[in-house]
Amino acid sequence: DIVLTQSPTLAVSLEQRGTISCKTSQNVDNYGISFMHWYQQKPGQQPKLLIYEGSNLASGIPARFSGSGSGTDFTLTIDPVEADDIATYYCHQSRDYPRTFGGGTKLKLK
Amino acid sequence: EVQLVESGGGLVQPGRSLKLSCLASGFTFSNYGMNWIRQAPGKGLEWVASISSSSSYIYYADTVKGRLTISRDNAKNTLYLQMTSLRSEDTALYYCVRQGYRDWFAYWGQGTLVTVSS
Repeated sequence: DIVLTQSPTLAVSLEQRGTISCKTSQNVDNYGISFMHWYQQKPGQQPKLLIYEGSNLASGIPARFSGSGSGTDFTLTIDPVEADDIATYYCHQSRDYPRTFGGGTKLKLK
Repeated sequence: EVQLVESGGGLVQPGRSLKLSCLASGFTFSNYGMNWIRQAPGKGLEWVASISSSSSYIYYADTVKGRLTISRDNAKNTLYLQMTSLRSEDTALYYCVRQGYRDWFAYWGQGTLVTVSS
């Protein structure tokens, strides 16, 4: 199984940049595509797709969210962080079965 | 607008069965792969099962293989999860999720809560 590792929490100040990392135990790239995706989950809500295939912004997602990385190292960046961004963020790989998620990174205000 | 509405959750005793349903609307259901993903209370996300658009390909997490069965009825725009031999560790909010083109999880339902307890 491909294991995805995220830091449990990240404390940021409003209007600053927040970066969330996701490291995978195996390469999740294939045919030049990164099979890495990011989701946001606010308390009491279902997760929402933010970024697909490493760096593509999902429909309706603000441009302050961006994704980067390849291979086994990926990053979700929020710049600038707004109060509405306080949530838990999950990475997910679809390179192989079983599909796996990172443990989630809870974004907190400093 | 894509809508996924789960139903069928509830309180069930260990060892018993339950069947979840997910009614899809706002898109051509028969064109998309579908998934069940669960989240135990206060925990992270766990992928449970996937089914391709025509039911030709089905995959399960090892933790549920042999006990949970994913299926779909394209004529009824409905996804199912038959759950048998339920255990306390199956207690979770179960989400119905539509796939994107290369298997990202594009749309999520609100979830239905399954509680396994005596």
